[in-house]
Amino acid sequence: DVKVTQSSRYLVKRTGEKVFLECVQDMDHENMFWYRQDPGLGLRLIYFSYDVKMKEKGDIPEGYSVSREKKERFSLILESASTNQTSMYLCASSPAGQALGSYTFGSGTRLTVV
Amino acid sequence: GNSVTQMEGPVTLSEEAFLTINCTYTATGYPSLFWYVQYPGEGLQLLLKATKADDKGSNKGFEATYRKETTSFHLEKGSVQVSDSAVYFCALSDRSYIPTFGRGTSLIVHP
Repeated sequence: DVKVTQSSRYLVKRTGEKVFLECVQDMDHENMFWYRQDPGLGLRLIYFSYDVKMKEKGDIPEGYSVSREKKERFSLILESASTNQTSMYLCASSPAGQALGSYTFGSGTRLTVV
Repeated sequence: GNSVTQMEGPVTLSEEAFLTINCTYTATGYPSLFWYVQYPGEGLQLLLKATKADDKGSNKGFEATYRKETTSFHLEKGSVQVSDSAVYFCALSDRSYIPTFGRGTSLIVHP
């Protein structure tokens, strides 16, 4: 069964900590995405990557960075966590050249920054 | 730019009731349209899709028809079950592989 795996379901971190959220896919997909999901705001794209070592900013990249050293892994980094980054984070992947509909989502990481 | 507007929730229904969740969109060109569902504690799953005007997507008893003249893609189900309780997202995708999502509509079905 193909899947996107996010390393943690729940995470609690302190303000100012550097936080790593990991995402691994086993489908050999070229494209990978990080979203945050907040009530009333839906999904907002943080960063995406269409190839190893490539990254593009999404709609809300401030306060975040990403790393894609291997095709199957896409990491989201909160350089200095703040309480307004408390949210649900969703990772997704898709094959190259294919529109939405070929997306596979992970189960999400609920991050609380205290 | 592209945008997707969904009706605000929550939508609360009794089991076996008829469901409609409205979705309208703004896009240049001819996008593909999608409905995704998110069950509690899980990520999003593709529910159905339609890639051109007048196409009807269907899955698990849910249906939606791509209406170009009204720029709509409303989700319907004839008889909902408690297990359909979830958040439903309407989305579109054009030539880019970056989709535009609506804000989601929560559905609560009571026995």
